[in-house]
Amino acid sequence: DAMVIQNPRYQVTQFGKPVTLSCSQTLNHNVMYWYQQKSSQAPKLLFHYYDKDFNNEADTPDNFQSRRPNTSFCFLDIRSPGLGDAAMYLCATREGGRTTDTQYFGPGTRLTVL
Amino acid sequence: GQNIDQPTEMTATEGAIVQINCTYQTSGFNGLFWYQQHAGEAPTFLSYNVLDGLEEKGRFSSFLSRSKGYSYLLLKELQMKDSASYLCAAMDSNYQLIWGAGTKLIIKP
Repeated sequence: DAMVIQNPRYQVTQFGKPVTLSCSQTLNHNVMYWYQQKSSQAPKLLFHYYDKDFNNEADTPDNFQSRRPNTSFCFLDIRSPGLGDAAMYLCATREGGRTTDTQYFGPGTRLTVL
Repeated sequence: GQNIDQPTEMTATEGAIVQINCTYQTSGFNGLFWYQQHAGEAPTFLSYNVLDGLEEKGRFSSFLSRSKGYSYLLLKELQMKDSASYLCAAMDSNYQLIWGAGTKLIIKP
């Protein structure tokens, strides 16, 4: 089945220790998103890609970086995680560029910072 | 600015009907999405409205009024598995989703 896959589902890291979250998709969608979602809050868009065209949201902290080496994979790097970065990180994909296609989400990675 | 407003929490009884309201303000508008999110899981797509009116899909229906910046999600014949958060999201002129914080729906027997 075509899908959006996130690994790992649960990630524990230490304060200040770099961590990388991964997302892969078999949908062959052009657009990929990284969201941060804290409990009972709206998903907050961090980055998105139209193909290889990278878009960084204005209020995304410099501590967060992203890479999309090819259509199928996208990575979220947190260079020095702080306690405030503990959250669910959601990867989503969408087929088109400037269209109203639905976003499809992966299962998320729950990040704990000790 | 852009924002989405929806109630924080609602409670309903199994078998009943519940309506979850959402108001939005966006720079441009390319449609309104509803997603369901169970605790600890990712959002899953429920509905999309871009024209005024009611869209029915089984037990779930979604309504849109563009002139009022208003939408609702109607859930009929509630089941215990419908206990979840329901997220309203409006798509702006840049085709980005502006998300609400979600309405936590509690279903009681």
